[in-house]
Amino acid sequence: QSALTQPPSASGSPGQSVTISCTGTSSDVGGYKFVSWYQQHPGKAPKLVIYEVSERPSGVPDRFSGSKSGNTASLTVSGLQAEDEADYYCSSYTGSDTYVFGTGTKVTVL
Amino acid sequence: QVQLVESGGGVVQPGRSLRLSCAASGFTFRSYGMHWVRQAPGKGLEWVPVVWHHGDSVRGRFTISRDNSKNTLYLQISSLRAEDTAVYYCARDWGSGTFDHWGQGTLVTVSS
Repeated sequence: QSALTQPPSASGSPGQSVTISCTGTSSDVGGYKFVSWYQQHPGKAPKLVIYEVSERPSGVPDRFSGSKSGNTASLTVSGLQAEDEADYYCSSYTGSDTYVFGTGTKVTVL
Repeated sequence: QVQLVESGGGVVQPGRSLRLSCAASGFTFRSYGMHWVRQAPGKGLEWVPVVWHHGDSVRGRFTISRDNSKNTLYLQISSLRAEDTAVYYCARDWGSGTFDHWGQGTLVTVSS
């Protein structure tokens, strides 16, 4: 199972929005609603920010939103803040109790 | 509160085996699927096969097991290779691969 494809980097100024894509196939992203996004700060464990494509866990700011079209899922961070600077990973169910992560995107707040 | 604490990492020679542990607390461990995810230095996240509720899950050199009486998840890695060098995280599965809680990770370094 190949990793889902994400852009290596994305950036935006404080207050702006940034959108990260996550491209897979009809066997993973396109075939299931079980797409999640994780935020990881340097030296820290990942943190869930979006699950089931567009659902937000309790405690995650509504600046974080998710969507999906075909085989591509997207994470948008609106109103960028300094603490949003981190690595972001998508993941997807791929059937038969297997899962795959994306290649990761480093978000920089300019 | 949910807490996951990994242990068992360290420096291991190539070809040897290693067992990692993940001690869980703050929730009904037997009711959740659990995962191992690893991250090589400077690289991305990589999922390791999951065990759901019971039994062992085996893929190649990796064996995942759990002891619900001890609220503990295990990962046995055999024939360790340099490319197995990584931080190994355990994570709770909220449902269908939604990893809602993660441990702090344990570093495994494979080196002679």
